[in-house]
Amino acid sequence: KAGVTQTPRYLIKTRGQQVTLSCSPISGHRSVSWYQQTPGQGLQFLFEYFSETQRNKGNFPGRFSGRQFSNSRSEMNVSTLELGDSALYLCASSLALTGVNEQFFGPGTRLTVL
Amino acid sequence: GESVGLHLPTLSVQEGDNSIINCAYSNSASDYFIWYKQESGKGPQFIIDIRSNMDKRQGQRVTVLLNKTVKHLSLQIAATQPGDSAVYFCAEKGNTPLVFGKGTRLSVIA
Repeated sequence: KAGVTQTPRYLIKTRGQQVTLSCSPISGHRSVSWYQQTPGQGLQFLFEYFSETQRNKGNFPGRFSGRQFSNSRSEMNVSTLELGDSALYLCASSLALTGVNEQFFGPGTRLTVL
Repeated sequence: GESVGLHLPTLSVQEGDNSIINCAYSNSASDYFIWYKQESGKGPQFIIDIRSNMDKRQGQRVTVLLNKTVKHLSLQIAATQPGDSAVYFCAEKGNTPLVFGKGTRLSVIA
């Protein structure tokens, strides 16, 4: 069974640009969560999608948004990029809403904002 | 807000020794705890979990201990191997999405 895949793996953008990251969950998994990982703040929850609906949202500004498609694939978008948005963005999938279901993480997308 | 984990320390152990990684959590409503391992260039990998109605759970070479009285979680790795070198995160879940600690870097000395 293929794992969680994320594209692209690496991305370099400049301040003010916008970026879209993609996540394909494990086949059969319907929940997708996004996290931002930085050396200073560690792993921080961004949002969670289940059945194309955002179920939970972390404490991030509105510049961070996401969506989920009917095939459970998910995208997240960051608009008006700032230097502080440089991070590893991780996607995790699980069978159902998190809590009692193991989350499987993808390798992440390394975003660098110049 | 709620926070989990200690600042990112480094733990160095000799190959073959046992490792103990600690984590403190602050949300007394948390009822589910997970340990993850993250190797360089990879996403976190599930190691073991424990629910709040237990105080100990064992896996293959790993044991998680939960002390709800002092809100403390620990991961014990038996006979530590070079392949165990990674950053280890604890995570908690209660009435919020998963909250991760900042992690502990484990270095195994051959």
